[in-house]
Amino acid sequence: DIQMTQSPSSLSASVGDRVTITCQASQDISNYLNWYQQKPGKAPKLLIYDASNLETGVPSRFSGSGSGTDFTFTISSLQPEDIATYYCQQYDNPSITFGQGTRLEIK
Amino acid sequence: QVQLVESGGGLVKPGGSLRLSCAASGFTFSDYYMSWIRQAPGKGLEWVSYISSSGSTIYYADSVKGRFTISRDNAKNSLYLQMNSLRAEDTAVYYCARVSENSSGYDYWGQGTLVTVSS
Repeated sequence: DIQMTQSPSSLSASVGDRVTITCQASQDISNYLNWYQQKPGKAPKLLIYDASNLETGVPSRFSGSGSGTDFTFTISSLQPEDIATYYCQQYDNPSITFGQGTRLEIK
Repeated sequence: QVQLVESGGGLVKPGGSLRLSCAASGFTFSDYYMSWIRQAPGKGLEWVSYISSSGSTIYYADSVKGRFTISRDNAKNSLYLQMNSLRAEDTAVYYCARVSENSSGYDYWGQGTLVTVSS
């Protein structure tokens, strides 16, 4: 099975900061990498699909990049409502795995 | 609007069984792959299973293979998860989620149903 290593596990940043989260796959997954945001007590929300595509309705301050084994998720200017846990997820048929999550807090 | 509503969770003893349901509305259910994904209390997300739109292709995580069975009834717009031989480590919120038509992402999720396995 493909393992996803997501880092950092937690992150504290100030409003307006640029925030970056990385995800590394244990083998080549092309661009089959998605990013989700989960707020406490809520279901996850898809933000970025296929590594770099912004889901409809998601603010443009969110972005993703990468291919193969190394991927990056970026919030260009952190907003208070971005406080959540973020997960990467790979899809390499038939295996699907999530990263361990990154808990984002406001400094 | 797209809605996914899970039901069937609850408290069950180790070794017991439970059947989860997910009622879909607001889209053509029979056109979409679907999945079950779970989250243990305070932990991350774990993919459990997925089923193709017709039900002909099914995959399971190793942790549930042989114990859980995913199925769907396209006439009833419903997804199911039959869980047998339940263990304490199966305790989690179980979400049903729709696979996006345009990508490998899960674009809609239910609110989740809590399964607690405890004596």
